[in-house]
Amino acid sequence: ETGVTQTPRHLVMGMTNKKSLKCEQHLGHNAMYWYKQSAKKPLELMFVYNFKEQTENNSVPSRFSPECPNSSHLFLHLHTLQPEDSALYLCASSQETPSGGRRGANVLTFGAGSRLTVL
Amino acid sequence: GQQLNQSPQSMFIQEGEDVSMNCTSSSIFNTWLWYKQDPGEGPVLLIALYKAGELTSNGRLTAQFGTTRKDSFLNISASIPSDVGIYFCAGPPYNFNKFYFGSGTKLNVKP
Repeated sequence: ETGVTQTPRHLVMGMTNKKSLKCEQHLGHNAMYWYKQSAKKPLELMFVYNFKEQTENNSVPSRFSPECPNSSHLFLHLHTLQPEDSALYLCASSQETPSGGRRGANVLTFGAGSRLTVL
Repeated sequence: GQQLNQSPQSMFIQEGEDVSMNCTSSSIFNTWLWYKQDPGEGPVLLIALYKAGELTSNGRLTAQFGTTRKDSFLNISASIPSDVGIYFCAGPPYNFNKFYFGSGTKLNVKP
């Protein structure tokens, strides 16, 4: 497998369920990201991990809980979500978080996304 | 977060026509990225630009890194129906360690 792989591609859950989204990158990158994309809204950054350490939490509600066990894997644990949380959740990776001098750090590779529907 | 100013928001063109779209920012950028997103899929990188004035092609696509480092352009020549989708510009501003995104240009191509 190459690139960034996200599973599941589609998820339907009730508001009381607990589920997880999984992301795996095979690019040897050290930074991983979760973005939320709602209809007719720009991409919203949720979380950033660099070398397994969380470096950004963009005021995300605690019902979203990220986990980065190693540089290749990123999870988003979901519990007691609301219908307005329905969206396309995109995982991405880069060599490191962006920096001035490193070209590879400044290129973001996305997964195909997980379409989440909360009933 | 900060958004890039991308225009136009949408375009309706005839197959075979050329297309231009652009992004501007008040900040200087180190890198400009152009992505295409199909419905229900993740954005796919089309072109990456790394220095001011750089002009790079990928098939029928050509993108330029503006000389002021505050803008970038994407041109698609001889459009075909599979060019339909949303095109995003993105990049990290100088001295910022995060990516910013344009709001997207939705391209429709009539056969």
